[in-house]
Order: sequence, then C-alpha cells, then structure tokens
Amino acid sequence: AQSVTQLGSHVSVSEGALVLLRCNYSSSVPPYLFWYVQYPNQGLQLLLKYTTGATLVKGINGFEAEFKKSETSFHLTKPSAHMSDAAEYFCAVSAAEAAGNKLTFGGGTRVLVKP
Amino acid sequence: DTGVSQNPRHKITKRGQNVTFRCDPISEHNRLYWYRQTLGQGPEFLTYFQNEAQLEKSRLLSDRFSAERPKGSFSTLEIQRTEQGDSAMYLCASSLRSVNTEAFFGQGTRLTVV
Repeated sequence: AQSVTQLGSHVSVSEGALVLLRCNYSSSVPPYLFWYVQYPNQGLQLLLKYTTGATLVKGINGFEAEFKKSETSFHLTKPSAHMSDAAEYFCAVSAAEAAGNKLTFGGGTRVLVKP
Repeated sequence: DTGVSQNPRHKITKRGQNVTFRCDPISEHNRLYWYRQTLGQGPEFLTYFQNEAQLEKSRLLSDRFSAERPKGSFSTLEIQRTEQGDSAMYLCASSLRSVNTEAFFGQGTRLTVV
C-alpha cells in the first residue's frame, strides 16, 4: 500500500521569498514521485517527477524537489516566489507499472503569495 | 495534439438523475484513468483502462458507477441515480504503458448534485 502526507494544507509566502512544500511518502516498492500543480477549476499539470537516478529533480517554472530515501521525503522548493505561483500543489506516488502506475495523492497544499 | 479533453466541463443535475461524462485521451496513450476530487482534497483513484480492458476498480466505485472505453479510444463514466455525495470534480488522465511514464490530466468535469 502507498500513502502520501503533505504537511500544511495552506502556506503563505511573500513574493520573492522561498517556497517550501513538504511531502512524505510510504511505499512498499521503489517509489516514483511526482509534484502536480492545480489552478482553480483546472486539471493537474505536472511540475516534476522522480523515477531513478539523480535525487535532485528540476521542473518547470523554477521548481525543484529532492528525493531523500532515508527520510521518505520529496519536498518541493522554489527560491523566489512569484504571484503566478499561487495555486494548489499535490505530491503523488505511483504504483508499480504492473499495477497500472496509478497515482496516490496527498491532500494538497494551497499556496498564497503576498505582494 | 491538444491533450486530454473532458466534456462537459460543468454539470448540474438533480438527485436521482443519471449523468455521463466523456474523456478523450491523448491519441497514442493506451492507459486511461479516472479520478475523483472532492473540495479541499487530493484526487482519488477510481478506475483505469489499458486499451479497452478495465483492469482495476477502486472500492470508491460503487455499483452506481460504470466506466467504459470502447475500442480503446475515448472513455465514458456514468453515474446512475446520483446522490449529493457524488458532487465532485471528476478527472481523467492518460499515459503510455511504460516504467517511467507520467500521466497527463484533463481539465475535469465538475459535477454538482442538487
């Protein structure tokens, strides 16, 4: 069984400040990990993913995440927040390919960016 | 390719009515997924298809729900005898069958049952 916990359902940051969104996962198999962003009344857009290899993953819009196996974490960061980063962010873990690669999502973190 | 397309975007229905949603995946994608997202929550897996075969259904998918993917192309999700608890965003995603695959999501269908 897999699960994802996102610490903090809401995060408020000032424009230009560091964005840090926390994600911890549980998986019985080597995990594939994802961060998705959702704007109001929209679907989910992939920010970045970790499958194998380099543990620091760079994504779109200046975001990056680091896979830490010992901490079962996959935290998302962006050095300098922009107003356009205001959205909801979801961390997800994928089941194995043989199980259809279906995703288990965390509860989401809503980011508010203050001018 | 314009990505994953879902129709309608919004649906308001009275309790007890049947509703049907459609999802058109990215054309070369052989896997198609349905998720449900309630307000303030992350999406939850409902079911998935590989080509035309429905390979898994979540326990969330009660017997009032049925999904099809005829000919392995578009998919429909039908809810019979809708209840207020069915109000949610229904998201469709598609992907290639691959170890390192990623899922691409449509914009969702928001269902409101009144």
